[in-house]
Amino acid sequence: SAVISQKPSRDICQRGTSLTIQCQVDSQVTMMFWYRQQPGQSLTLIATANQGSEATYESGFVIDKFPISRPNLTFSTLTVSNMSPEDSSIYLCSVVPGNEQFFGPGTRLTVL
Amino acid sequence: RKEVEQDPGPFNVPEGATVAFNCTYSNSASQSFFWYRQDCRKEPKLLMSVYSSGNEDGRFTAQLNRASQYISLLIRDSKLSDSATYLCVVNLRGSYIPTFGRGTSLIVHP
Repeated sequence: SAVISQKPSRDICQRGTSLTIQCQVDSQVTMMFWYRQQPGQSLTLIATANQGSEATYESGFVIDKFPISRPNLTFSTLTVSNMSPEDSSIYLCSVVPGNEQFFGPGTRLTVL
Repeated sequence: RKEVEQDPGPFNVPEGATVAFNCTYSNSASQSFFWYRQDCRKEPKLLMSVYSSGNEDGRFTAQLNRASQYISLLIRDSKLSDSATYLCVVNLRGSYIPTFGRGTSLIVHP
């Protein structure tokens, strides 16, 4: 299993600013995943963060908008840059240590 | 066509009722199937895996129909605490990245 914590749990931000979300796992994992879940929608994978290499982004997501850091095997950050109201969403980090996928509690972001 | 489709509901049922959700997937190379549960304002958590032979865990039964490319979740004797969103999750063979359905909302009322 895996226990994941995220900071902040929620934030309200002004458009044009940036927010960095932190994700900490209680065990070492090779890959960490960042998802977005907009209201009433399913989870959408933003990118996969690998330690020691650049993140792999899914279609529709770019590094300039969502830079990711992965300095070690238990920690990652996702930055939401130059925010607009369309970025209002829940952002979740996730790991798959075995056959089960575990999620962090999420960061609820509101952009005004 | 979306890769994983679910009826969003909500399904509004009384306590004690039996309710079933279906989920269809479009990619025949899909290999692993799961049901996750997401409570309001919480993260998704694994409810059960879905095996080819079907599997049961207490009041919950999951089944897979590869020929028709759908999986189902049956909940018997619904409890108020079953109220949540149920997410269908599908993994392609050889892929570590799952595809999530948008979820089916269940409301169990007294």
